[in-house]
Amino acid sequence: NAGVMQNPRHLVRRRGQEARLRCSPMKGHSHVYWYRQLPEEGLKFMVYLQKENIIDESGMPKERFSAEFPKEGPSILRIQQVVRGDSAAYFCASSPSKGNEKLFFGSGTQLSVL
Amino acid sequence: LAKTTQPISMDSYEGQEVNITCSHNNIATNDYITWYQQFPSQGPRFIIQGYKTKVTNEVASLFIPADRKSSTLSLPRVSLSDTAVYYCLPWNSGYSTLTFGKGTMLLVSP
Repeated sequence: NAGVMQNPRHLVRRRGQEARLRCSPMKGHSHVYWYRQLPEEGLKFMVYLQKENIIDESGMPKERFSAEFPKEGPSILRIQQVVRGDSAAYFCASSPSKGNEKLFFGSGTQLSVL
Repeated sequence: LAKTTQPISMDSYEGQEVNITCSHNNIATNDYITWYQQFPSQGPRFIIQGYKTKVTNEVASLFIPADRKSSTLSLPRVSLSDTAVYYCLPWNSGYSTLTFGKGTMLLVSP
């Protein structure tokens, strides 16, 4: 039973480019969460999605960031026109149900903006 | 959401017992205390959860006193591979997400 898969593991973008981060949840999990971790800081919640629905995006910046979790395929976190401040580790987690204390995290995508 | 306070860092040596205390003075009646562990360059993983008294699993023990204003994660006989950041967070089934603080960086030396 594969865990949460994130790719790419490392992503380098120049300022102004787009970054697309992918997350495949654990088998049987229909709830996906995205977190961002800046250097020397804790994990910050960004968005919570269930298949085809955004449930909570209170932690998502209002501009340039979007997320989706289609009926088929992985969840995508998309960052348009990246800036240096977007450089961070982005973690995806999944769970089988809402309000579950056990989130299963992937290994993250390290985004570096040049 | 209850605010939690943990030491920023702790140092230990292999074979010692490590106790990491988390303060949560305003914890809600229906909140559980959940601990996660994060190794470098990896996502966090759930290690233990409790409501009151003591809980033990294969990884750690969790002590929560009767007033529930604090909790202590106990790691018996740590090894180098226990070097990680440990997060204490309140949780109940009404929360749609988990809120992480900065955690405690535990460094285990030979």
